[in-house]
Amino acid sequence: ILNVEQSPQSLHVQEGDSTNFTCSFPSSNFYALHWYRWETAKSPEALFVMTLNGDEKKKGRISATLNTKEGYSYLYIKGSQPEDSATYLCAFKDRRGSTLGRLYFGRGTQLTVWP
Amino acid sequence: GAVVSQHPSWVICKSGTSVKIECRSLDFQATTMFWYRQFPKQSLMLMATSNEGSKATYEQGVEKDKFLINHASLTLSTLTVTSAHPEDSSFYICSARDRDAYNEQFFGPGTRLTVL
Repeated sequence: ILNVEQSPQSLHVQEGDSTNFTCSFPSSNFYALHWYRWETAKSPEALFVMTLNGDEKKKGRISATLNTKEGYSYLYIKGSQPEDSATYLCAFKDRRGSTLGRLYFGRGTQLTVWP
Repeated sequence: GAVVSQHPSWVICKSGTSVKIECRSLDFQATTMFWYRQFPKQSLMLMATSNEGSKATYEQGVEKDKFLINHASLTLSTLTVTSAHPEDSSFYICSARDRDAYNEQFFGPGTRLTVL
């Protein structure tokens, strides 16, 4: 079982604050890093699929960076809004094994944005 | 697009009964579907991978005779928890990989199983 760590476990911010959280993963046999946004009672929503070292991706106020050599990714939210409240999951995909496509998930960062 | 439904969203059953959970890709063809389980405060853990028309591949420690997976079509996979016991109470969630978007997985909303 590969270890994917996310920090912090939870985060409470005021509306308008910018925030960021971290996902760390094994630096060997990297294939892809996925970020998901998961609201309660809904399906996890894919935010980014990152594959190249140095990748930076952006979707509205949310952006992510990737460092495969040191094994970490940052997710940034600029000007947080209450609707950003959700659990943010990262998942690592490696090249090993017969089940290419297997995702190893972190426990998530639970973000609460207060109005 | 890329919607995955899962049914039921929650189920309560008595110990010893079997429970079937359905996972459907509504607007795409899913050659591969994945079944995950999440215990409280833990991460999503892959239980098995199923490819349409073939037997599922189970992760180490997952009993294939207890968690029966069928992927008979490109839009439907089912997970049956046989002879459920209280320790099987968990959150079960499926994902599907689009045949044309190999690198992405789309998730259903999950099923909360409580075994009394």
